Amino acid sequence: EIVMTQSPATLSVSPGERATLSCRASQSVSSNLAWYQQKPGQAPRLLIYGASTRATGIPARFSGSGSGTEFTLTISSLQSEDFAVYYCQQYNNWPLWTFGQGTKVEIK
Amino acid sequence: QITLKESGPTLVKPTQTLTLTCTFSGFSLSTSGVGVGWIRQPPGKALEWLALIYWDDDKRYSPSLKSRLTITKDTSKNQVVLTMTNMDPVDTATYYCAQSIAALDYWGQGTLVTVSS
Repeated sequence: EIVMTQSPATLSVSPGERATLSCRASQSVSSNLAWYQQKPGQAPRLLIYGASTRATGIPARFSGSGSGTEFTLTISSLQSEDFAVYYCQQYNNWPLWTFGQGTKVEIK
Repeated sequence: QITLKESGPTLVKPTQTLTLTCTFSGFSLSTSGVGVGWIRQPPGKALEWLALIYWDDDKRYSPSLKSRLTITKDTSKNQVVLTMTNMDPVDTATYYCAQSIAALDYWGQGTLVTVSS
């Protein structure tokens, strides 16, 4: 099983600042890595797939990078609606797709 | 517009079998490359992928739950059904279905299932 480790667990950021979230895979997942945003009481929403491709309708302030085992989600200038929990997920290795434990982005 | 919606019981007893239905619109599960998956999230915890079925009836299961899960599709009804046997209180969670093309592209709103006697 590939273990996805996200850091930090909680990130305190002021509106307008840049946020950088990390995700590490226990073995290579190539570029088969997605990022999701989840707000309280809502379903997750796909932000990034293929490590760096924004999903439909996702603002340009969200960007993803990395390949292999190290990945980053960057939010260039945090808006009030961006405070949420973010999950990474690998979909490279069957039979198990795995999620990270999440990073909560909170208002500083 | 792509939508998915989960339906099923909100409360099941230990040892019972859970049956959840995902009813979707805006896409077809007979289109090459399309899949529908199930994911769950215990209260306050992270997401856990459970199972996925593809347009060609290829089925994938989480190894740790494989013996308890069955996923099927009814293309004519635009539905995917997940059954989970021998339910336990640790299976209490919100269960989501999601369309899969690039990753888990579109999600349903989720349905909370509580396992309790």
